[in-house]
Amino acid sequence: KAGVTQTPRYLIKTRGQQVTLSCSPISGHRSVSWYQQTPGQGLQFLFEYFSETQRNKGNFPGRFSGRQFSNSRSEMNVSTLELGDSALYLCASSTGAQRNEKLFFGSGTQLSVL
Amino acid sequence: AQSVTQPDIHITVSEGASLELRCNYSYGATPYLFWYVQSPGQGLQLLLKYFSGDTLVQGIKGFEAEFKRSQSSFNLRKPSVHWSDAAEYFCAVATGYSTLTFGKGTMLLVSP
Repeated sequence: KAGVTQTPRYLIKTRGQQVTLSCSPISGHRSVSWYQQTPGQGLQFLFEYFSETQRNKGNFPGRFSGRQFSNSRSEMNVSTLELGDSALYLCASSTGAQRNEKLFFGSGTQLSVL
Repeated sequence: AQSVTQPDIHITVSEGASLELRCNYSYGATPYLFWYVQSPGQGLQLLLKYFSGDTLVQGIKGFEAEFKRSQSSFNLRKPSVHWSDAAEYFCAVATGYSTLTFGKGTMLLVSP
């Protein structure tokens, strides 16, 4: 069974640009959540999608957005990039049926903003 | 507001020695608690979780954790550390479906 796949693995962008990150969940999983990881702030929840609907959202500005497709694949978009957006972006998948269930994480997309 | 505190940023343990990583949480309801491990350049892997029942939970790779409601703690332990255990460890509480609030992490270094 294939794991969670995130593409691309690395990205370099400049300030003001926008970026789209992709996440393919484990087959059969309907929930995809996104996290930002930085040395200073640690792991922070961005948002969660379940069956194409955003079910939960963290405390990030509107420049951060996402969507989920009918096949459960998800994309995350960051517009008007800032230097502080440099981070490892992790997505995780699960069935989404219970709060106590295990999340399966991808290896992440390392975004560098210059 | 819900939060997770891991007081130790770094811990160094000799190979073969025992390990305890501390975690304290703040959450209004019955917490669902997790320990994840992250190796360099990798995503997170679940070690174990607690949501009800026996307060001592067993996980993968020989890890265990004990939930203590009176102390709001969920400390991770391992009786004998191996060099391959060197990684960063994160404690987390579920605050919604597929939504975790993480601690800042503890970096474990294993000395020979």
